[in-house]
Amino acid sequence: ETGVTQSPTHLIKTRGQQVTLRCSSQSGHNTVSWYQQALGQGPQFIFQYYREEENGRGNFPPRFSGLQFPNYSSELNVNALELDDSALYLCASSLAGSLLYTFGSGTRLTVV
Amino acid sequence: GESVGLHLPTLSVQEGDNSIINCAYSNSASDYFIWYKQESGKGPQFIIDIRSNMDKRQGQRVTVLLNKTVKHLSLQIAATQPGDSAVYFCAENKEGDYKLSFGAGTTVTVRA
Repeated sequence: ETGVTQSPTHLIKTRGQQVTLRCSSQSGHNTVSWYQQALGQGPQFIFQYYREEENGRGNFPPRFSGLQFPNYSSELNVNALELDDSALYLCASSLAGSLLYTFGSGTRLTVV
Repeated sequence: GESVGLHLPTLSVQEGDNSIINCAYSNSASDYFIWYKQESGKGPQFIIDIRSNMDKRQGQRVTVLLNKTVKHLSLQIAATQPGDSAVYFCAENKEGDYKLSFGAGTTVTVRA
């Protein structure tokens, strides 16, 4: 049984650019949630995807968007990057309706 | 606003001693709580959970206590080991909600 895989592990982007982060969910899991973790803080919920649709969203602007694919993998897209977007982006997979997440190791995004 | 938070940002413990990590929550509607451990460079790892209809739950070397009267949650780690050094987060969920709300975390350092 594989865990959650995220790519890339590290990324440096320039302010104003766009970025795509990828996540492969754990085998058997059909729901993916994305969290942003700023340095020294707890993770903050961005959104969740189930059946290829957004299932819920936190307090993040529309320039944060996502996709889920038929194989349950997911992407997080951020447009018009700002310096404050620098953070660790965590993907978590689970079964529908379950909060027993399996987290990936995250993608460390630095915006300069 | 309603949030989940930890009393102390750091905790230093002698190897072999017991650790107690505290968390206060303000949302009386929360009915499910999880403790996570996050090691450097990794995503949060599930430790133990508890529902609001319970006061105590035990796992291997860990115990979670829930005091609904004062909205307080604690994680006790018995015989703390060097491998327990990490950041510990409590997270809460309200029934029917699709996300976890995390506190800021407590960094535990185990002294040899």
